[in-house]
Amino acid sequence: KNEVEQSPQNLTAQEGEFITINCSYSVGISALHWLQQHPGGGIVSLFMLSSGKKKHGRLIATINIQEKHSSLHITASHPRDSAVYICAVRSRADSNYQLIWGAGTKLIIKP
Amino acid sequence: DSGVTQTPKHLITATGQRVTLRCSPRSGDLSVYWYQQSLDQGLQFLIQYYNGEERAKGNILERFSAQQFPDLHSELNLSSLELGDSALYFCASSVVSNTEAFFGQGTRLTVV
Repeated sequence: KNEVEQSPQNLTAQEGEFITINCSYSVGISALHWLQQHPGGGIVSLFMLSSGKKKHGRLIATINIQEKHSSLHITASHPRDSAVYICAVRSRADSNYQLIWGAGTKLIIKP
Repeated sequence: DSGVTQTPKHLITATGQRVTLRCSPRSGDLSVYWYQQSLDQGLQFLIQYYNGEERAKGNILERFSAQQFPDLHSELNLSSLELGDSALYFCASSVVSNTEAFFGQGTRLTVV
């Protein structure tokens, strides 16, 4: 079993829909990251969370440390949101920056 | 723009050759990380440097090496290249190890 599990693997939705991508992990963590990888390959860091909730524009990330679960929400989705969304955690046991990566969720937003 | 600059963006080379990938971190960031992403694969951590010194090593082949210079830019050297080394190579930087990392756009290496 992978230490970081994302669901769904693939998601296709219509423009305007509310999107939720989930991330569950099995290790104790000091931080969780959500990243976005565009079709061209570039990676953008969206959020780094250790507790609670963060919001940036139409993106919202939440984390429940007790349940070892995080969600990434996209409101009013748009075709330009189409990308792979990756969850990665930093294990509390590892003092260095070796992230444990989820497999990614491929999101396609249709106009 | 993350502030992390990687060059070149694309590189095509033949098997057996050696290449150098360059990364300039964000201003003020002391930590640099290198990752490899093969086709349809997740990111694999290769190596981390902090203020010029190697801090952590991941799944980095012996044919690969890296260094971080006094001006904090980093280079990843790949030698005796094989077809399987074709991948996207990402560099990321952060202020220190436990802060948010910012990624460069990546170097797409194609070995033919």
